[in-house]
Amino acid sequence: AQTVTQSQPEMSVQEAETVTLSCTYDTSESDYYLFWYKQPPSRQMILVIRQEAYKQQNATENRFSVNFQKAAKSFSLKISDSQLGDAAMYFCAYRSTSGSRLTFGEGTQLTVNP
Amino acid sequence: EAQVTQNPRYLITVTGKKLTVTCSQNMNHEYMSWYRQDPGLGLRQIYYSMNVEVTDKGDVPEGYKVSRKEKRNFPLILESPSPNQTSLYFCASSPRDRVWEQYFGPGTRLTVT
Repeated sequence: AQTVTQSQPEMSVQEAETVTLSCTYDTSESDYYLFWYKQPPSRQMILVIRQEAYKQQNATENRFSVNFQKAAKSFSLKISDSQLGDAAMYFCAYRSTSGSRLTFGEGTQLTVNP
Repeated sequence: EAQVTQNPRYLITVTGKKLTVTCSQNMNHEYMSWYRQDPGLGLRQIYYSMNVEVTDKGDVPEGYKVSRKEKRNFPLILESPSPNQTSLYFCASSPRDRVWEQYFGPGTRLTVT
């Protein structure tokens, strides 16, 4: 069974600075998807970025980028130029290309300080 | 507007009183799923459905039932709720060929006393 681990329950960053959230996963599969979701206080789940495992290039979405290390089974999220609106709970998630389950990590609560 | 709706948004009930949380999507998605979110545990999948009349267990199915009689609806049923089912519940849907497009509902906060 796949597992996803986020070892940082809480992180904080100063506004305009850069922060990296860590995620590791365990799988025996070679092809899969990885995601970062943001959950603001409204509780809505918002997809931030996704990565297909067969792609070597790291995904980027504006100020959000990932560092995907397939051999190390690591998938970190970098937020550049942090904004107050980035404050939220962030979840890393895994999904097999052949299966239907979405497996989430425990979450990292990000605080952005003005 | 494309959306997933859940009702109710908040519910306080007592142990053993059967309840249903409804989930509906208007995007003609094949795939629907239920999750529960608990502090320190992230979101855990309860049940999922690949299409009408096709459902399967997720990671924490005990104490829950689901049905998928129509493509748009995927209700979550707690036949005899217990306090350990106090949680935040999310329904989600996605098209089968674009699994990354997970649309989440707004969540249902359930408290069982």
